[in-house]
Amino acid sequence: GDSVTQMEGPVTLSEEAFLTINCTYTATGYPSLFWYVQYPGEGLQLLLKATKADDKGSNKGFEATYRKETTSFHLEKGSVQVSDSAVYFCALSSTGTASKLTFGTGTRLQVTL
Amino acid sequence: DAGVTQSPTHLIKTRGQQVTLRCSPKSGHDTVSWYQQALGQGPQFIFQYYEEEERQRGNFPDRFSGHQFPNYSSELNVNALLLGDSALYLCASSSLADTYNEQFFGPGTRLTVL
Repeated sequence: GDSVTQMEGPVTLSEEAFLTINCTYTATGYPSLFWYVQYPGEGLQLLLKATKADDKGSNKGFEATYRKETTSFHLEKGSVQVSDSAVYFCALSSTGTASKLTFGTGTRLQVTL
Repeated sequence: DAGVTQSPTHLIKTRGQQVTLRCSPKSGHDTVSWYQQALGQGPQFIFQYYEEEERQRGNFPDRFSGHQFPNYSSELNVNALLLGDSALYLCASSSLADTYNEQFFGPGTRLTVL
């Protein structure tokens, strides 16, 4: 079945540091890939997405590239801010139209001054 | 646009009781999915509703049931509550016409079972 594996947290960085959160997946066919962010006490917000191999999703300085050869979708940001502190979830949707999302366990990011 | 709304925000129940959670989808969306997020875990898919029918179901027992109304809003019902049902329940809405399945999440209902 479908599965998503992400690096365990927490990840603690100083402001302006470079961020990488690793995500790999197992799925049938050609899934769509997503990163969601969850701020304390809130629901999930879509951060970025990629729908086919070699696509790069980007938003708010975050980027992730859909790598089919390595089944990966690593999240990166060149310079993190304190306001980026949250839990980040990698997810996939394997059967296209309005299909269920399969999530990783989440990675908590803590950014300090 | 109000986005996805859920009610109530918090709920406390005791073992064996039944609970109903409610969700209103984002304007223009026709599909509602429910997820259970245990503390420190990623959300787990419960089921999805479209045209008032259950379209997909995850690995959850029959104690979990749902309904979708003609206005696309939805309810999640859980019977015979167990301590392990304590979690954040998230509703997500989407449009079946969206090929890439962009789902929009509500703020969730925090259920505590004592």
